Amino acid sequence: EAGVTQFPSHSVIEKGQTVTLRCDPISGHDNLYWYRRVMGKEIKFLLHFVKESKQDESGMPNNRFLAERTGGTYSTLKVQPAELEDSGVYFCASSQLGQGRTDTQYFGPGTRLTVL
Amino acid sequence: AQTVTQSQPEMSVQEAETVTLSCTYDTSESDYYLFWYKQPPSRQMILVIRQEAYKQQNATENRFSVNFQKAAKSFSLKISDSQLGDAAMYFCASTGGATNKLIFGTGTLLAVQP
Repeated sequence: EAGVTQFPSHSVIEKGQTVTLRCDPISGHDNLYWYRRVMGKEIKFLLHFVKESKQDESGMPNNRFLAERTGGTYSTLKVQPAELEDSGVYFCASSQLGQGRTDTQYFGPGTRLTVL
Repeated sequence: AQTVTQSQPEMSVQEAETVTLSCTYDTSESDYYLFWYKQPPSRQMILVIRQEAYKQQNATENRFSVNFQKAAKSFSLKISDSQLGDAAMYFCASTGGATNKLIFGTGTLLAVQP
């Protein structure tokens, strides 16, 4: 079974440009999470999808970030326009839809974003 | 706000020895889960072990075990018979809120010396 995949693995862009990150969850996983780790700091939650619906987007930094999950399958996270402080590693994770219990989140390898 | 604290930025252990990584957390949730994840260099983050807060028994997975002290809000990871492949960044995490989002600590970088 394929794990969580993310594309691209690295992205270097200039301030003001737009970047779109993609995440493909494990097949059959309804929960999809985005996290971000800024250099040297903790991994922070950005948002959570259940199928195609945004369940919690309390961690999104500002309106320059837009996440979508088309048809409840893959998800994209677009940053427009990118700022220097957006640099970091963006992780995606997926889990099965539990029945009142927490299922383990499986992580992708991350996308390292560098904004110059 | 829920927090997870890992007070050891770096640790080192000799191969075949035992090492303990510390983690404390703060949560207002009555039902929550705790996790240790491992991220080897340039590789994917994988689950090492998980603990349900309602269970008193400490979780164990082969050479990995936890010391869960609920009253003290402590959740340390013990690695026995350390191997070179255990070298990685270790993250402690707890679930936070109804969506089960993870709250992470800053990580502990573990080096294993041959």
